[in-house]
Amino acid sequence: EAGVTQFPSHSVIEKGQTVTLRCDPISGHDNLYWYRRVMGKEIKFLLHFVKESKQDESGMPNNRFLAERTGGTYSTLKVQPAELEDSGVYFCASSQGASGGKETQYFGPGTRLLVL
Amino acid sequence: AQTVTQSQPEMSVQEAETVTLSCTYDTSESNYYLFWYKQPPSRQMILVIRQEAYKQQNATENRFSVNFQKAAKSFSLKISDSQLGDTAMYFCGLRTSGSRLTFGEGTQLTVNP
Repeated sequence: EAGVTQFPSHSVIEKGQTVTLRCDPISGHDNLYWYRRVMGKEIKFLLHFVKESKQDESGMPNNRFLAERTGGTYSTLKVQPAELEDSGVYFCASSQGASGGKETQYFGPGTRLLVL
Repeated sequence: AQTVTQSQPEMSVQEAETVTLSCTYDTSESNYYLFWYKQPPSRQMILVIRQEAYKQQNATENRFSVNFQKAAKSFSLKISDSQLGDTAMYFCGLRTSGSRLTFGEGTQLTVNP
């Protein structure tokens, strides 16, 4: 069974440019999450999809970030325009239907974003 | 709001020895789940062990075990018979009634030959 995949693995862009990150969850997983780790700090939650709907987007830092999950399969996270403080590692995770909070979230390898 | 604190940014251990990673947390909810994830140098983060707060018995997965002290809000990870492949960044995580995981800042563990 294929795990969570993310593309690209690395991205280096200049301030003001646009970057789009992609996440393919494990097949059949309704839940998809985006997290971010900035500057060696803790991993922070960004948002949660259930199928194609945004269940919780309270962790999104500002309106320069736009996440979509059309059709309830893969998801994209677009940063436009990128700022220096957006640099970090963006993780995607997926899980099956809710089971009271104990279900395992399976993480992808992350996308390392560097904004110069 | 909930918080997770890992007070050891780096730790090292000799191969075959035992090491304990610390984690404390804070939440006002009575039902929650605690996790330890590891991220090896290859970067794929994987679940090591999980503990349900309502279970008093400490979770164990082969060489990995936890010491869950609910009153003290402490959730440490013990790795026995450390192996070179255990070298990784370890993240402690907390999940309450919502969907999100709240993580600590991580502990970089190095196992030396």
